[in-house]
Amino acid sequence: GESVGLHLPTLSVQEGDNSIINCAYSNSASDYFIWYKQESGKGPQFIIDIRSNMDKRQGQRVTVLLNKTVKHLSLQIAATQPGDSAVYFCAENSGGSNYKLTFGKGTLLTVNP
Amino acid sequence: GAGVSQTPSNKVTEKGKYVELRCDPISGHTALYWYRQSLGQGPEFLIYFQGTGAADDSGLPNDRFFAVRPEGSVSTLKIQRTERGDSAVYLCASSPPGTSGSQEQFFGPGTRLTVL
Repeated sequence: GESVGLHLPTLSVQEGDNSIINCAYSNSASDYFIWYKQESGKGPQFIIDIRSNMDKRQGQRVTVLLNKTVKHLSLQIAATQPGDSAVYFCAENSGGSNYKLTFGKGTLLTVNP
Repeated sequence: GAGVSQTPSNKVTEKGKYVELRCDPISGHTALYWYRQSLGQGPEFLIYFQGTGAADDSGLPNDRFFAVRPEGSVSTLKIQRTERGDSAVYLCASSPPGTSGSQEQFFGPGTRLTVL
């Protein structure tokens, strides 16, 4: 989830386990949320998005949950694989903007074989 | 198909020098964005283009930073009198035309700028 310090939050799981990465977003007016995956030396890669009129959305092996009451977003990855190891960022469209994304600090996911 | 490309992938310069960073968006994408990512942080918004015009440059940190997109495709981020604090990865993203609401942004690999 989000960090208030300089250190990146980390999550270490065993291959095959399910992973849950959490994020607290900042602006109650935001209505579009995205999870990005970023591998070392690469740009962020889109995983899944959700709009504020939904509270759950599923993709292939991933599920995003949105709780607007507490401004919380989570990403669930089923049957985590070594290739899932990366930094995961949540992003919100700042205050309902059509273009400006505000990113969280990120969570480092390490999958142990 | 081809994604967003950025050149150079790495740029090392000396304090006080001028640099240009280039972004080639996905063909047909009308919106283009620049972000800056410092070590251990998420990307921070710098500027947004819709077509040729900068629709929002509120994220540019100061007047040493400037970006252009003269023909509505390729964009160049220009940094004058670079400072050590400008060292970061500069990310470019683009998104397709959309009638309303937020659109997925497709990111390039970034340019790592190091100011010595």
